[in-house]
Amino acid sequence: DAMVIQNPRYQVTQFGKPVTLSCSQTLNHNVMYWYQQKSSQAPKLLFHYYDKDFNNEADTPDNFQSRRPNTSFCFLDIRSPGLGDAAMYLCATSRDRREQFFGPGTRLTVL
Amino acid sequence: GNSVTQMEGPVTLSEEAFLTINCTYTATGYPSLFWYVQYPGEGLQLLLKATKADDKGSNKGFEATYRKETTSFHLEKGSVQVSDSAVYFCALSDRNTGNQFYFGTGTSLTVIP
Repeated sequence: DAMVIQNPRYQVTQFGKPVTLSCSQTLNHNVMYWYQQKSSQAPKLLFHYYDKDFNNEADTPDNFQSRRPNTSFCFLDIRSPGLGDAAMYLCATSRDRREQFFGPGTRLTVL
Repeated sequence: GNSVTQMEGPVTLSEEAFLTINCTYTATGYPSLFWYVQYPGEGLQLLLKATKADDKGSNKGFEATYRKETTSFHLEKGSVQVSDSAVYFCALSDRNTGNQFYFGTGTSLTVIP
């Protein structure tokens, strides 16, 4: 089945220690998104790639960066995680910014 | 601007009860409307969608009708099950803003046996 895969499902890191979350997709969608979702809140868009073009949301902290080496993979890098970065991170994909398909998420814990 | 307003939760219902979760929107153009469901510890799953006025989206017994005159997209189910317990998000996508998604705040539903 075509799908969006996120690894790992659970990630524990230490305060200030860089961490990378990964997302892959078999849908061959040209748009990939990263969202941050805190408890009992709606997902908050961090950035997205439209093909190779990177689109950063204005209020996304500089601590968050992303790479998309090819169509199928996208990475979220958190350079120096703080306690406030503990959250669920959701990857989503779409074809030309239409309906979005989400992965299962990575739950990040910062100690 | 674009925004989505959802009925606040949490909502608790007995099994086989009728469900309505209200959603209204504001949009500058002609949006597509969506309902997503999120089960505990999981990502969001597309439940149903409607792309133009008077369209009805339906899936797994859930329905929602795109009402342009009332700018609403209320989610309904005639008989809920315990397995429907989840958080439901209403969302819109507007071509005028590059199809950016706007999510509501989510409504938590708990169905008790």
